[in-house]
Amino acid sequence: DQQVKQNSPSLSVQEGRISILNCDYTNSMFDYFLWYKKYPAEGPTFLISISSIKDKNEDGRFTVFLNKSAKHLSLHIVPSQPGDSAVYFCAASYNFNKFYFGSGTKLNVKP
Amino acid sequence: DTEVTQTPKHLVMGMTNKKSLKCEQHMGHRAMYWYKQKAKKPPELMFVYSYEKLSINESVPSRFSPECPNSSLLNLHLHALQPEDSALYLCASSQQGGGNQPQHFGDGTRLSIL
Repeated sequence: DQQVKQNSPSLSVQEGRISILNCDYTNSMFDYFLWYKKYPAEGPTFLISISSIKDKNEDGRFTVFLNKSAKHLSLHIVPSQPGDSAVYFCAASYNFNKFYFGSGTKLNVKP
Repeated sequence: DTEVTQTPKHLVMGMTNKKSLKCEQHMGHRAMYWYKQKAKKPPELMFVYSYEKLSINESVPSRFSPECPNSSLLNLHLHALQPEDSALYLCASSQQGGGNQPQHFGDGTRLSIL
C-alpha cells in the first residue's frame, strides 16, 4: 500500500506560467517532506524540503506548500522554464533514515 | 555533477554470475542507502547503513548482499539474480546525527539480468 501518492503521471505547462505538482500522503506520522527532480539517465536531485512545523517553504522559483489536515503537499514552480522539464518525485519521512516516495509526475514545460 | 558516484553505470549479467555494484561519497555523510527502481515506479528502499552498520533491511532476498567497508563506500554484492531483479539501482547518502536531512542520490546502475 503506497503511503505517498502522486495522482498525475504527467503535466504540461507553457514556459513562463506556473507549474503545480501535487502529492497526497496517508501516514499522519510523516514529519518531513521533500521534492526531488529527476532527468533521464540521472539520479534524483534534491530540490526543496519542508518540515511539518511549517506550511510553506520557498527557494527561488520553487515553493512547497504543506496542508497537514488534508495530508497534501504541493510544489509550485514560477515561472516555469523549459529546463524544468523532468520527473518530479515527492517523498515523506517520519524516521530519519526511511523515506517513502511517490510514483512521480513528468513535467513538460513548452517553450 | 552528482557527489555520489556509482559504478558501473550499466551491468548485464547472467543468473549464475556474481557481480558487485559500488557507491562512493566524500561528503562526510554517515548514512548510506540502496534503492531499487523499476520503470515508472518510485524508488524502493532496500538497505540503510548508519555509521557503517546495517540499520534497515527491507526484507531483501539474500541474493543481494550489502557491504559498507568504510564511511565513504557502499557495495551491493549480487549473486544468482532473477530476471525480475532487472532495474535501476540507486545509492544515496545523507548526514546523520539528528534533524531531518535530504538524501543525495547517485545516477544509478542500470542492471539487466539475462
